[in-house]
Amino acid sequence: GENVGLHLPTLSVQEGDNSIINCAYSNSASDYFIWYKQESGKGPQFIIDIRSNMDKRQGQRVTVLLNKTVKHLSLQIAATQPGDSAVYFCAESRYNQGGKLIFGQGTELSVKP
Amino acid sequence: DAGVIQSPRHEVTEMGQEVTLRCKPISGHDYLFWYRQTMMRGLELLIYFNNNVPIDDSGMPEDRFSAKMPNASFSTLKIQPSEPRDSAVYFCASSSHRGSGNTEAFFGQGTRLTVV
Repeated sequence: GENVGLHLPTLSVQEGDNSIINCAYSNSASDYFIWYKQESGKGPQFIIDIRSNMDKRQGQRVTVLLNKTVKHLSLQIAATQPGDSAVYFCAESRYNQGGKLIFGQGTELSVKP
Repeated sequence: DAGVIQSPRHEVTEMGQEVTLRCKPISGHDYLFWYRQTMMRGLELLIYFNNNVPIDDSGMPEDRFSAKMPNASFSTLKIQPSEPRDSAVYFCASSSHRGSGNTEAFFGQGTRLTVV
């Protein structure tokens, strides 16, 4: 059935702490990488992206780091809040594909008040 | 703009029946994507369109699945006949190509399909 087998990695943090969510990607030819947040019962929502020629990009309370040598991507959330509780997906894409996304597995972030 | 609109939000159908999922992309967007989400396989791209033309349907699982985009404001994903293993959440997303810049894809709320 649909719910058999795969369990998402889970990260549990205390409210106010920083969170780091990691992702490994596979395609060296990807032009950019994106983090999406998915709350229960909703579609994925864009958080931040980074081009393949960059190694760091900062947004509001979030930072994405890209290590192309080991094909690793991370999302750092500063001062994590209960509203940050969700499943976070990394995705990779190419410029000539209009936003076609290849998603990673996802990590469930749980924030304890 | 109301965002990407999908209907129905929930669909329960019997095995063997035809199911049609609908999507209205964001006005002005020229790319439309259909994804499927299950616990076993995560988020998978099924097919995407550019300017109403199917570009890549390699993710469509089998001939029982078909998708159309008759105009820029409407797309359907049809499963005929449906099977219990098709049970999943189906997402539609749209994006606007901005030259060499990144193209953020906006997702709808999804259709939760249950085939019994």
